[in-house]
Amino acid sequence: SQQGEEDPQALSIQEGENATMNCSYKTSINNLQWYRQNSGRGLVHLILIRSNEREKHSGRLRVTLDTSKKSSSLLITASRAADTASYFCARRSGNTGKLIFGQGTTLQVKP
Amino acid sequence: DARVTQTPRHKVTEMGQEVTMRCQPILGHNTVFWYRQTMMQGLELLAYFRNRAPLDDSGMPKDRFSAEMPDATLATLKIQPSEPRDSAVYFCASGSDRDGGNIQYFGAGTRLSVL
Repeated sequence: SQQGEEDPQALSIQEGENATMNCSYKTSINNLQWYRQNSGRGLVHLILIRSNEREKHSGRLRVTLDTSKKSSSLLITASRAADTASYFCARRSGNTGKLIFGQGTTLQVKP
Repeated sequence: DARVTQTPRHKVTEMGQEVTMRCQPILGHNTVFWYRQTMMQGLELLAYFRNRAPLDDSGMPKDRFSAEMPDATLATLKIQPSEPRDSAVYFCASGSDRDGGNIQYFGAGTRLSVL
């Protein structure tokens, strides 16, 4: 069962535009991670932000975390057609290695 | 090039048949996860192993599913008997407690179709 909610469910933009995806959760976290899934493939880890961090960058990716609002956002700047994929947030809580995945946002970047 | 290997990539079988999916985690990883992905339910955790010991299989239908780790290089997920509602993509992922964040590395999945 999913305990993270992402919005929008689907997003379609033109190449070069920025894409923003949001993730909300209900319980406290140790960290929050974002994964990408290309069609027909497994998930690939993109970036991890810890509960004591507010913002993190990796190349064209920017992740923010607001623990007071229990939400995170993933920004992809200057999008490319190759960024077309589904993006999932996943939260880790407690001392288990389990991650709880959201339902994902499907991003389409049109050339 | 370290990666999680899953076999088979595709499996078509008839209802009632046994299905076995295999996973080779990344060498040195001590956690292994099995997920099922469908359009309706999204990504569901079925089973979780740490150091080959099953820690959580609460997401797995116990009557027909079983997950094991015969050794550190092999994890298996079995369905017996299979049913059409089991049709889905099954992913294996591995990770290491040493990375501190529990990043998971996914295999390419097994696409199962039960007719």
